[in-house]
Amino acid sequence: EAGVTQFPSHSVIEKGQTVTLRCDPISGHDNLYWYRRVMGKEIKFLLHFVKESKQDESGMPNNRFLAERTGGTYSTLKVQPAELEDSGVYFCASSQSRGGEQFFGPGTRLTVL
Amino acid sequence: ILNVEQSPQSLHVQEGDSTNFTCSFPSSNFYALHWYRWETAKSPEALFVMTLNGDEKKKGRISATLNTKEGCSYLYIKGSQPEDSATYLCAFIRHSGYALNFGKGTSLLVTP
Repeated sequence: EAGVTQFPSHSVIEKGQTVTLRCDPISGHDNLYWYRRVMGKEIKFLLHFVKESKQDESGMPNNRFLAERTGGTYSTLKVQPAELEDSGVYFCASSQSRGGEQFFGPGTRLTVL
Repeated sequence: ILNVEQSPQSLHVQEGDSTNFTCSFPSSNFYALHWYRWETAKSPEALFVMTLNGDEKKKGRISATLNTKEGCSYLYIKGSQPEDSATYLCAFIRHSGYALNFGKGTSLLVTP
């Protein structure tokens, strides 16, 4: 069974540019999560989808971040325009059920210069 | 306690030593406690998911306990090996949500 995949693995962009991250969850997992780890800090929750619906987006930093999950399969996270403080590792995870194991992807390392 | 706190922040042990880490979390509004093992540039890998007070789980040389009344969980590694070197993350889920709330992790280095 394929795990959670994320693309790209690394992205280096300049301040003000736009970047779109993609996550493909494990097939059949209705729950999809985005997290972010800024250097030196803990991994922090960004938002949670159940199928194509946003269940909880309380962790989204501001309106420069837009997440979508059209069709309830893969998800994208767009940052527009990117700022220096957006640099970090963006993780995606998926799970079958609430409270159950969340399977993580390898992350996308975003560097904003 | 409002968030997850893990100690120690880092640990360096010799191969064969046994070690343990502490995770403290809010005891109110508790739903589940997860332990993850994370090697840099790889996916965090779930070790244990615990929900009941008094839960004890074991996977090989690694085990964990849960005390929801006092808001603490301990992870034990018996006979550490160099391949155990990684960051060990603790995360809890509140009863009111689905999100994992992570601590900063304990970075373990095991040298031969």
